[in-house]
Amino acid sequence: QVQLVESGGGVVQPGRSLRVSCAASGFTFRNYGMHWVRQAPGKGLEWVALIWYDGSNKYYLDSVKGRFTISRDNSKNTLYLQMNSLRAEDTAVYYCARRGYSYVLDYWGQGTLVTVSS
Amino acid sequence: NFMLTQPHSVSESPGKTVTISCTRSSGSIASNYVQWYQQRPGSAPTIVIYENNQRPSGVPDRFSGSIDTSSNSASLTISGLKTEDEADYYCHSYDTTNQWVFGGGTKLTVL
Repeated sequence: QVQLVESGGGVVQPGRSLRVSCAASGFTFRNYGMHWVRQAPGKGLEWVALIWYDGSNKYYLDSVKGRFTISRDNSKNTLYLQMNSLRAEDTAVYYCARRGYSYVLDYWGQGTLVTVSS
Repeated sequence: NFMLTQPHSVSESPGKTVTISCTRSSGSIASNYVQWYQQRPGSAPTIVIYENNQRPSGVPDRFSGSIDTSSNSASLTISGLKTEDEADYYCHSYDTTNQWVFGGGTKLTVL
C-alpha cells in the first residue's frame, strides 16, 4: 500500500536551517509529482512547494522562495525540503503529498512538526 | 496570485443539508478545477471532490460540488448530514504559474 513517512522535524532557532525528508513506498515514486503542504498549529493548510516527477521543474509559495528548496532522489524514493533562514512563521506540521490523478493530492504522510523558536 | 475565501465555520443538525462556499479573489473560478478536502482532527486531509464536481470512489454521494461563475465561487454540499461528517473542509485550486492555493478552511459542526 502507498506510504509516505516524513522525518527530520524538530526545534530550530530563527535563522537556522533544517531538512525534512519523506520516504515513499508502495508505488513507483519516479512517476509522480510530489508536494509539500504545511499547517501551522490550529491553522489551515498552506501549500509550500511542488516538484515534477523527474525533478525538472519546481514551484514555490512566494513567502518561501529563495529560502526553501524542494528536491527528490528517485533512486532512494525520497522527497526532501531544505529550509534555510527559518522564521517563527514557518512553524508548522509539514506534510508531503503525492499528486495522483488530475489535480488531486491523493496520498499524504502523517506530517513532521517543525518549530522555529529561540 | 489569488486567494480562496471560505466561511470560518458552519453548523447544522444531523440529517440536514449544509453548503460551504469558496470564493476566488481574482481570475475566473471556471479557469482551473476546484478540489475539496476533508480533515478530521489529528489526521491528514483526504479528497472528497475533485474537478469541481467529481467524487472519488469511496466518497458517499451525499457529497457534491459545484461552481458558480456569477459569484466566482465554488460550493461543497453535504446532504443527510451524519456526525461523522464533522471535520474541517478545505477548497483548493491552482493557477497557470503552478501556484497551488488552499482556502482558509471551514469547520463543520454537526449538532
